Amino acid sequence: DTAVSQTPKYLVTQMGNDKSIKCEQNLGHDTMYWYKQDSKKFLKIMFSYNNKELIINETVPNRFSPKSPDKAHLNLHINSLELGDSAVYFCASSQTWGRDNEQFFGPGTRLTVL
Amino acid sequence: GENVEQHPSTLSVQEGDSAVIKCTYSDSASNYFPWYKQELGKGPQLIIDIRSNVGEKKDQRIAVTLNKTAKHFSLHITETQPEDSAVYFCAAGYYGNNRLAFGKGNQVVVIP
Repeated sequence: DTAVSQTPKYLVTQMGNDKSIKCEQNLGHDTMYWYKQDSKKFLKIMFSYNNKELIINETVPNRFSPKSPDKAHLNLHINSLELGDSAVYFCASSQTWGRDNEQFFGPGTRLTVL
Repeated sequence: GENVEQHPSTLSVQEGDSAVIKCTYSDSASNYFPWYKQELGKGPQLIIDIRSNVGEKKDQRIAVTLNKTAKHFSLHITETQPEDSAVYFCAAGYYGNNRLAFGKGNQVVVIP
């Protein structure tokens, strides 16, 4: 009955590799997000999609590319991984755009780049 | 853009005592202020929120106060319990816009 799920939970990879993180929500929400949490716990928005349309695109290297095949899924692909990409990545969803809806977070994906 | 700061970064309290976390924000147009709790190994979870037309809101042992003039808001946890130990994030946003600016988080440790 997981509301927002992410796979994988842990990801260890070498510099220069390409990797993807998948996110799915079963809440029927229209809006989904990707956040990055660094080692100091700082939580920063990266992207947001509403009904498969990109709404927020923060100053993120273009090595990061989100894709939303449908409203329930928002995947994050990262090319040419760098050491500084090591962080915990959280997917979240909220009911719709344009309201101060509660954001429901997934359990996170801990990415370690060696 | 909005900038949110939290103080203190770490807070240790004896079980049963109260804990207070303070946040300041920079953009006077912000009018929505949620608080999220993150337990170890989990994603953040909303615990309480307040809008700028309200000065205080309570939910059992948790309360949030807002001072729009000073641009700061606080989370109050009374009768703390070990399960309150977590990282707490404040955030600021605009009603009608889902973009939230998060503070850097406070580690709260409740000592049994």
